[in-house]
Amino acid sequence: NAGVTQTPKFQVLKTGQSMTLQCAQDMNHNSMYWYRQDPGMGLRLIYYSASEGTTDKGEVPNGYNVSRLNKREFSLRLESAAPSQTSVYFCASSENRGSYEQYFGPGTRLTVT
Amino acid sequence: AQSVAQPEDQVNVAEGNPLTVKCTYSVSGNPYLFWYVQYPNRGLQFLLKYITGDNLVKGSYGFEAEFNKSQTSFHLKKPSALVSDSALYFCAVRGTTDSWGKFQFGAGTQVVVTP
Repeated sequence: NAGVTQTPKFQVLKTGQSMTLQCAQDMNHNSMYWYRQDPGMGLRLIYYSASEGTTDKGEVPNGYNVSRLNKREFSLRLESAAPSQTSVYFCASSENRGSYEQYFGPGTRLTVT
Repeated sequence: AQSVAQPEDQVNVAEGNPLTVKCTYSVSGNPYLFWYVQYPNRGLQFLLKYITGDNLVKGSYGFEAEFNKSQTSFHLKKPSALVSDSALYFCAVRGTTDSWGKFQFGAGTQVVVTP
């Protein structure tokens, strides 16, 4: 099993450009999450989706949009990138009952200049 | 609102000595508690969890954690640290009443194990 996959692994954008980060999981999980990781701040939740067709804002949603395309895929879009969005982005998935623990993708390192 | 505190930015320990990484939490209702480890340039890997039952939970790579409800703590422990345990460790809590489904992560504790 691939688990959680993310593309791309690295990206450099100029201020104002847009891009979409892709995430897919093959574990049949209901919940999916997008986090950003910044030094000394741990992981902060951007958006999450408890099930296909639903999304909800997390702690730091401004400047981002998400799409839960189907049960497997959850994408994160930056419409107009800003230097403050320079970060490492992680996608994760989990089941809604039973085990609960999250499984993480390898991350996308984004630099906005 | 839920929160997690990891009071130590870094823990230094000699190989073979006991390792403890501290975590305290605040959450409405019964907590679901987790520990994750992150190696350089990698995603987070699940170590162990407390959902219900025994207060001492055992996880991967010889790690264990003790849930203490009165102190609202969930400290991670390993009896004998290895150099390969050097990594960034995160404690996380999942709410069961408000903020259902959302995980709150601590800021992380860097563990450095010296030979």
